Amino acid sequence: DTEVTQTPKHLVMGMTNKKSLKCEQHMGHRAMYWYKQKAKKPPELMFVYSYEKLSINESVPSRFSPECPNSSLLNLHLHALQPEDSALYLCASSLEAGGPGNEQFFGPGTRLTVL
Amino acid sequence: AQRVTQPEKLLSVFKGAPVELKCNYSYSGSPELFWYVQYSRQRLQLLLRHISRESIKGFTADLNKGETSFHLKKPFAQEEDSAMYYCALREGFQKLVFGTGTRLLVSP
Repeated sequence: DTEVTQTPKHLVMGMTNKKSLKCEQHMGHRAMYWYKQKAKKPPELMFVYSYEKLSINESVPSRFSPECPNSSLLNLHLHALQPEDSALYLCASSLEAGGPGNEQFFGPGTRLTVL
Repeated sequence: AQRVTQPEKLLSVFKGAPVELKCNYSYSGSPELFWYVQYSRQRLQLLLRHISRESIKGFTADLNKGETSFHLKKPFAQEEDSAMYYCALREGFQKLVFGTGTRLLVSP
């Protein structure tokens, strides 16, 4: 399996809901990432996990809570989101978290709409 | 702050014409630069990285440290090259910073 998968593809939630996004890879990668991409904008890094430990949090509001239960799985728990959080959420993985040549492989994204 | 600038939002060319997508960067250290491409309804994928000095799908990109540029070039554009292209800079050890992207449209 050489792909990053994300579920669900689409998610619509109210501001009081709690939901989770899931990302999975079976390429033996030890680094995983969450990005947020607003319409017609580039992806913006949110979180980096390296060897299942959070290594970067780009000052993301606490209503976004990442979790890395194991090296293949990355979750993003959502609670009390705002309509401006509507975006495409991308997951990526790489063999290691940094250093030359570590290509990031991206998933197809989850399109989130907050009503 | 480190920055990646792609001055063109849209680049429209005819099939067979040369293409150059511009990317300029500002970075205080030794930069590592990439070009990512997103075809319609497909995921973001790596096209080129400067350390590999390779040609992929006919595209090349040379890092010019004097001009702080990493422009993407192809001598003869094909319709299937139509896509969104992002230049990206590795900032620090782990963070990837993307430019605003250039949409390339190749017309027959």
